[in-house]
Amino acid sequence: EVQLVESGGGLIQPGGSLRLSCVASEFFVYNNYMSWVRESPQKGLEWLSVIYGGGSIYYADSVKGRFTVSRDNSKNTLYLQMNSLGVEDTARYYCVREGVGGLWGQGTMVTVS
Amino acid sequence: DIVMTQSPDSLAVSLGERATVNCRSSHAILHSANGKNYLAWYQRKPGQPPKLLFYWASTRESGVPDRFSVSESGTDFSLTISSLQAEDVAVYYCQQFYTTPWTFGQGTKVEIK
Repeated sequence: EVQLVESGGGLIQPGGSLRLSCVASEFFVYNNYMSWVRESPQKGLEWLSVIYGGGSIYYADSVKGRFTVSRDNSKNTLYLQMNSLGVEDTARYYCVREGVGGLWGQGTMVTVS
Repeated sequence: DIVMTQSPDSLAVSLGERATVNCRSSHAILHSANGKNYLAWYQRKPGQPPKLLFYWASTRESGVPDRFSVSESGTDFSLTISSLQAEDVAVYYCQQFYTTPWTFGQGTKVEIK
């Protein structure tokens, strides 16, 4: 089954770090545009970052310098390293395969408190 | 940043009636190289991640019912449900991916009257 499964969320204190993982099944992360998006009651859907197949990465200003996207092609996994977390980062985090045939994972909840 | 503004914030429509969600971008999102608007429409049902309905403004995703249609005029876009069904109750979002940061509209909640 074609799917994305995120993990790594949880409760973290302000200033802490977390690394989210997103494992892809039945397609390859390396040759797709992959994004991270978060959703919170306060801000709705907020795009965070995109990594293109060629490896270029772009970030939203709200996370630039604090969050880092990477991928491990051997594990077909996308990562989001989140540092210096603040309460405003509390949200459900989704990884997304972009483009026609777009696909979202179920998300993983991050609570900063 | 490109601001995506949706209207209305919510609407209640009787079963079988037409529902229209509007989306306006603050800047043109038409790519001159391919003549496509870099816009996506999503459907968000409670407890589920967003589901892609249309990409490139008008490319229908597989499995999306024909009662869903879109239109585009300059920086104005609309999503229409021709005959609202109970399973269409959701929040609908537009998103531009023309330039980073990719941005979402605030969402339009569609309910049954």
